[in-house]
Amino acid sequence: DIQLTQSPSSLSASVGDRVTITCQASHGIINHLNWYQQKSGKAPKLLIYDASNLETGVPSRFSGSGYGTDFSFTISSLQPEDIATYFCQQYDNFPFTFGPGTKVDIK
Amino acid sequence: EVQLLESGGGLVHPGGSLRLSCAASGFNFNTYALSWVRQAPGKGLEWVSVISGSGNSIHYTASVKGRFTISRDNSKSTVYLQMNNLRVEDTAVYYCAKAQNVIMVAAPLDVWGQGTLVSVSS
Repeated sequence: DIQLTQSPSSLSASVGDRVTITCQASHGIINHLNWYQQKSGKAPKLLIYDASNLETGVPSRFSGSGYGTDFSFTISSLQPEDIATYFCQQYDNFPFTFGPGTKVDIK
Repeated sequence: EVQLLESGGGLVHPGGSLRLSCAASGFNFNTYALSWVRQAPGKGLEWVSVISGSGNSIHYTASVKGRFTISRDNSKSTVYLQMNNLRVEDTAVYYCAKAQNVIMVAAPLDVWGQGTLVSVSS
């Protein structure tokens, strides 16, 4: 199975700060890497697909990059409504796997 | 509007069975793969299984293989997860999720249901 490592596991930042999360895959997965946002008690929501593509309707302050084994996810200007846990997920190989998540809080 | 609505969760003893359902609306159901993803209380996300639009391609994560069976009834726009020989560690919220791309089994998951809770306890 492909293992995904996310860093950091949690972070606290101020409104307006730039926030970056990294995701590393145990094997190359081309660009088959997605990012999801999960707010407390809610279902996950797709934000970024294929490493760098913004899902329809998602604010442009969210972005992603990377290829192969190393990926990153950025919120360019953190907003109060961005409080959530963020997960990366690979779909290059079965079983699909998720990273352990990064909990984002407002300082 | 594209919607997925899970049902069938509940409390069951270890070794018991449950069948989850996911009713879909708002899209051409038989052309999209559907996945089940679960989340144990306070834990991360774990992908469980996927079924193609036609039902001909199915995959499972290792921990449920031989115990869980995914299926779909395209005439009812519903996907199912039959769960047998349930274990305490199967306790989780179970979500169904739609593949983003027509036909593709391996694809981003762009629409999720609200989830249904399965509790396995003696």
